[in-house]
Order: sequence, then structure tokens, then C-alpha cells
Amino acid sequence: DTGVSQDPRHKITKRGQNVTFRCDPISEHNRLYWYRQTLGQGPEFLTYFQNEAQLEKSRLLSDRFSAERPKGSFSTLEIQRTEQGDSAMYLCATYTPPEGPGNTIYFGEGSWLTVV
Amino acid sequence: KNQVEQSPQSLIILEGKNCTLQCNYTVSPFSNLRWYKQDTGRGPVSLTIMTFSENTKSNGRYTATLDADTKQSSLHITASQLSDSASYICVVSARSGYSTLTFGKGTMLLVSP
Repeated sequence: DTGVSQDPRHKITKRGQNVTFRCDPISEHNRLYWYRQTLGQGPEFLTYFQNEAQLEKSRLLSDRFSAERPKGSFSTLEIQRTEQGDSAMYLCATYTPPEGPGNTIYFGEGSWLTVV
Repeated sequence: KNQVEQSPQSLIILEGKNCTLQCNYTVSPFSNLRWYKQDTGRGPVSLTIMTFSENTKSNGRYTATLDADTKQSSLHITASQLSDSASYICVVSARSGYSTLTFGKGTMLLVSP
């Protein structure tokens, strides 16, 4: 247990439905990242927050994807009108800058999404 | 474009044997390099972190090396155990920018009894 919680761990949804994932970071961590990972691939960056501010979004984050971190604590990632290509594991990672060797980045266990 | 290439893509070894995984990167300006272990269906867990000035770091049976001149790193696993079966991901961080982590695709290691 890294201290970063993600919910749900697994989600099966029908194509076209909306899904929402939640990440609860380690309490003192103010930076929060979302990544997507498909089988056999490394994690791909989606977006990140510094406290409640969303500072960068990847081109992978289409307009069907939205992420929020309303109070600078937990974050949600919503996918609207899901497509089969959205099937992946969605990972959350958190830490507090400065990013460096003495500052470990912690990942959650991921949320598996299967779109049928 | 920042890239991290890992080899081999997958590897099968017998329990008790040693193995070495490779990571080549083109990330600039370089800040640090991390190795993560990811069990199937789980999130990555940090093994080692190395900066530009470090060329070796150990964590139990795991030893990572870094050659910042050739931009290569290796992860050596000694006396492998069945629990070492996992994906090992090399992650390189750049000094500038916000989304600074560049991930390799990982090496899938299977330790066979």
C-alpha cells in the first residue's frame, strides 16, 4: 500500500456510457498526475495538478475526458461517451515538489476500465 | 523528443539466476532516472532513483547503474526469486517542464521455478 488510493479498482461499462475514477493522494502531496496504461506499454501522461490548478493536459486527453481536483486533495477523472479504445488502466501518482532523488513519486494501484 | 527505450521486451529466467535489464534514454536536460517494479494489475513501485552524479545504487538484490555520458542504465537482479516476476519500468525525469517523467515500455520478467 503506497498511500495513494484509487477507486474503483475495476470498472466494466458499455460503450457510450460515462465513467468516473477517483484518486485520493497522500495527504501532504500537492502534485497529482493521471496516467493511462495499456497492456504491454508503459504509462502515458494524461494531465497533472498542482494543488487545485490543472497545469498541463496531454493531447491524449480528448474533449471526452475531464479531470478535476476541486479542493486540492482528491481528484476525479471522468470519461464521457466511452469507446472501446478507452479500455486501459488509469493510474494516479502523487508527490510534493521539488521532484528529485529524495522525493519518491507514489503510484496508486490503478483503475482498470473495460469498455464492451 | 524525450524517449526511453528498454530491452529486452521480455525475459524468462530460472529461479536463482541473475539477469540484467537495459534502459537507453534521450531525455534532456537530464535530472534523474528511476526504476520501478510493476506487478501485474498493480501500480508501479519505486526501486531506485539515481541522479547525474551517481553511477550505481543498490536496493537489496537490485542494483542499478547509470552512465550519463552514454545515456544508458541497467538494472541487475541477483539470485532471482519467483516474486521478481513483474514488469520493470525505466523512468527518466527532465529538469525543466512540469510533466517531467518519460516512461519506458518496460521489460516483462518471468522467473520460472
